[in-house]
Amino acid sequence: QSALTQPRSVSGSPGQSVTISCTGTSSDVGGYNYVSWYQQHPGKAPKLMIYDVTKRPSGVPDRFSGSKSGNTASLTISGLQAEDEADYYCCSYAGYYTLLFGGGTKLTVL
Amino acid sequence: EVQLVESGGGLVQPGGSLRLSCAASGFTFSRYWMHWVRQAPGKGLVWVSRLNGDGSSTIGYADFVKGRFTISRNNAKNTLYLQMNSLRVEDTAVYYCARGIDSSGHVSFDYWGQGILVTVSS
Repeated sequence: QSALTQPRSVSGSPGQSVTISCTGTSSDVGGYNYVSWYQQHPGKAPKLMIYDVTKRPSGVPDRFSGSKSGNTASLTISGLQAEDEADYYCCSYAGYYTLLFGGGTKLTVL
Repeated sequence: EVQLVESGGGLVQPGGSLRLSCAASGFTFSRYWMHWVRQAPGKGLVWVSRLNGDGSSTIGYADFVKGRFTISRNNAKNTLYLQMNSLRVEDTAVYYCARGIDSSGHVSFDYWGQGILVTVSS
């Protein structure tokens, strides 16, 4: 199983919007509505930002949104803030009782 | 307050074994899926294994640990385990336990432990 494909890095200025993509196959991202996104600051445990493609846990700002088209899922962060600078990982159910993470994307707020 | 605390990590030689524990508190442990996720130094997150609340559902393992790692839980002790055998240098990582969310706990995690470092080296 290969990791889902994410861009290594993205960047944006405060107030702007950025989108992070997560590309898989029809056996994972495209086959199930079970994509989640995690934010990880250096030295910290990851934090759930989006689950089931589009759902946001309580406490996560509505600036964070998720979507999916075909084999590619996306996380969009609008109104970028300095504290959004972190690594972001997508995760998808991959069948046969397994899950698959993406390689991670480093978000830089300029 | 939900808390997950991992223990049992450390330095082990290639081919050796370790058992990680994850002590849970602040929620009804037996109701939740639990997962192990690892992160090699400077690398990304990698899912390792999962187990449902009462252990009745099919356990999931990543291909690279099948036959070597075993996930289990003791609901009376509110503790999740990962027995790791035949350890390899590439198993070196911080290992996190994570709680599955209420609605789709088999595929998403809402609480994570602080992680425990496992180093496999001669």
